Amino acid sequence: QQQVKQSPQSLIVQKGGISIINCAYENTAFDYFPWYQQFPGKGPALLIAIRPDVSEKKEGRFTISFNKSAKQFSLHIMDSQPGDSATYFCAASKSHGQNFVFGPGTRLSVLP
Amino acid sequence: EAGVAQSPRYKIIEKRQSVAFWCNPISGHATLYWYQQILGQGPKLLIQFQNNGVVDDSQLPKDRFSAERLKGVDSTLKIQPAKLEDSAVYLCASSLVGIHGGTNEKLFFGSGTQLSVL
Repeated sequence: QQQVKQSPQSLIVQKGGISIINCAYENTAFDYFPWYQQFPGKGPALLIAIRPDVSEKKEGRFTISFNKSAKQFSLHIMDSQPGDSATYFCAASKSHGQNFVFGPGTRLSVLP
Repeated sequence: EAGVAQSPRYKIIEKRQSVAFWCNPISGHATLYWYQQILGQGPKLLIQFQNNGVVDDSQLPKDRFSAERLKGVDSTLKIQPAKLEDSAVYLCASSLVGIHGGTNEKLFFGSGTQLSVL
């Protein structure tokens, strides 16, 4: 029940295209859903996050869509750029950072 | 603002040896996490500290792993004895969030220690 499932495992997108990564969770006690971006040799860095009281959050080219009833959330990267090539992790936690769990990751490659 | 500092950056040991990793979180961050990231997988939480107390160590293999956070600042993670399957990147993260207050759950990660057990 602590798991976060993520798909696809890898994704190849042309420059300018839309990248979509999906995640699902089971534990209804989770109330914070971030996405982290990780480049090789670096630790993950927060990209964008959402709480269950809203269905969508947008920051620049990055959008989270959240479906509370389905217990699913997704990351959309608009106008994907080669610099977006990285591994993306969805995550979930309970209040105050408890039980902070990560999905298995999606390796995104944006072709020039 | 200085980030989360970790050392060493790389470590190669033989199985059954011991190893220790060090983490210095961002100043003022109450919560500190140690994660294990095996190649091609997402980070797996090993232990979470709130100040110098343990909040969650349910996934820490306590027969070989230990961690401490003296004075609520720096932390060390130790493995003794190491096994081949311990080969991974060990990530330290910190956040401002406190158990009894605050809602800023953003985790700041260090670059990690890459451990190879031969």
